[in-house]
Amino acid sequence: DAKTTQPPSMDCAEGRAANLPCNHSTISGNEYVYWYRQIHSQGPQYIIHGLKNNETNEMASLIITEDRKSSTLILPHATLRDTAVYYCIVRGTSGTYKYIFGTGTRLKVLA
Amino acid sequence: EAGVAQSPRYKIIEKRQSVAFWCNPISGHATLYWYQQILGQGPKLLIQFQNNGVVDDSQLPKDRFSAERLKGVDSTLKIQPAKLEDSAVYLCASSQSWRKNTEAFFGQGTRLTVV
Repeated sequence: DAKTTQPPSMDCAEGRAANLPCNHSTISGNEYVYWYRQIHSQGPQYIIHGLKNNETNEMASLIITEDRKSSTLILPHATLRDTAVYYCIVRGTSGTYKYIFGTGTRLKVLA
Repeated sequence: EAGVAQSPRYKIIEKRQSVAFWCNPISGHATLYWYQQILGQGPKLLIQFQNNGVVDDSQLPKDRFSAERLKGVDSTLKIQPAKLEDSAVYLCASSQSWRKNTEAFFGQGTRLTVV
């Protein structure tokens, strides 16, 4: 079962920052948080991942709380092309390190 | 760098028929995953390979689904016989290794419709 909880949907105005929350209150100390997104009819696309420090790349920023029980994915200037389902994943450490997807957050960027 | 290649892109079959999907991972990637994604749901892991060995197939319906990864490169997933509930997108992904701090890259998927 997925170890994360996300809101089912969110809207964001084009050009504004999109802040997508994720709750992972049962995360273990050595488990990473990964974010993927899936645009309609495409395979999931990797965005970013982190352990405890905040991370930033060309796509997004990942803010992980100090207790690691929640995180926020930030798209700094959302565009219409960012409309997608966003998945927050806690990657298991029980031998296989598999990616377990939940139902994600459907982000709609509005013009 | 070429991405994960999957074929066919779409497939329509009748129930009780058999079908096979093919995946070619990114060159040098040791770990290969097959996922099933039913409409409106997140992807569900079916099987995970490390090179040509199975690491996890706990969610694979072994009475009708089989997968192999001969020579540790490309892989095939087969369904025989297909049921209506197998209608889904089948996604293949690969990563450099199964270690916890590497990302997986996904293919476009094969959309299967069973009628």
